[in-house]
Amino acid sequence: KAGVTQTPRYLIKTRGQQVTLSCSPISGHRSVSWYQQTPGQGLQFLFEYFSETQRNKGNFPGRFSGRQFSNSRSEMNVSTLELGDSALYLCASTPTGQPQETQYFGPGTRLLVL
Amino acid sequence: GDSVTQMEGPVTLSEEAFLTINCTYTATGYPSLFWYVQYPGEGLQLLLKATKADDKGSNKGFEATYRKETTSFHLEKGSVQVSDSAVYFCALSDPGSGNTGKLIFGQGTTLQVKP
Repeated sequence: KAGVTQTPRYLIKTRGQQVTLSCSPISGHRSVSWYQQTPGQGLQFLFEYFSETQRNKGNFPGRFSGRQFSNSRSEMNVSTLELGDSALYLCASTPTGQPQETQYFGPGTRLLVL
Repeated sequence: GDSVTQMEGPVTLSEEAFLTINCTYTATGYPSLFWYVQYPGEGLQLLLKATKADDKGSNKGFEATYRKETTSFHLEKGSVQVSDSAVYFCALSDPGSGNTGKLIFGQGTTLQVKP
């Protein structure tokens, strides 16, 4: 099976702009989770989607949002970008999102906000 | 709330040395525990996991045992190689209500293995 794919791999944006990142899970996986990785804060959970519904959400401002499509592909959007949003954004997929399942990660999208 | 604490790095070892990376956790329930590895420029790969107390996860010579009494999940390898150089993350997933799809990570430990 193909692994988790994320596009684009790299992005450069300026403050105030918005950005949309895409994640395609492993075939058959219906749960997609998103994480932000920064040197200062480490890996932090953003949100999880399952069957087009957000089931779980981390402690991030409302500028961070997401959605999931019927084919389980997911997008996350960040509006009004701030310098502190510069990070590696990782998505991961599992069959159903249950805690004992292994999360399979994509290579990430590296976002730089200038 | 739930949390994971890892030993701070970087850890520098010579090839064939013994590796231990300490990981302790705090959780209200009975979490599943994971070790992930991240190579430069890549995403995270599962190294091993354990889903209940006293389970031992193992892979590629790495081992970790889920110790409920000490709330620990220390990573060990008997003989490291240069190719093991990477960042290692300990993580937990709490089966509490509403905690689907959420991993809580430690800060990561950078391992550098010198020839």
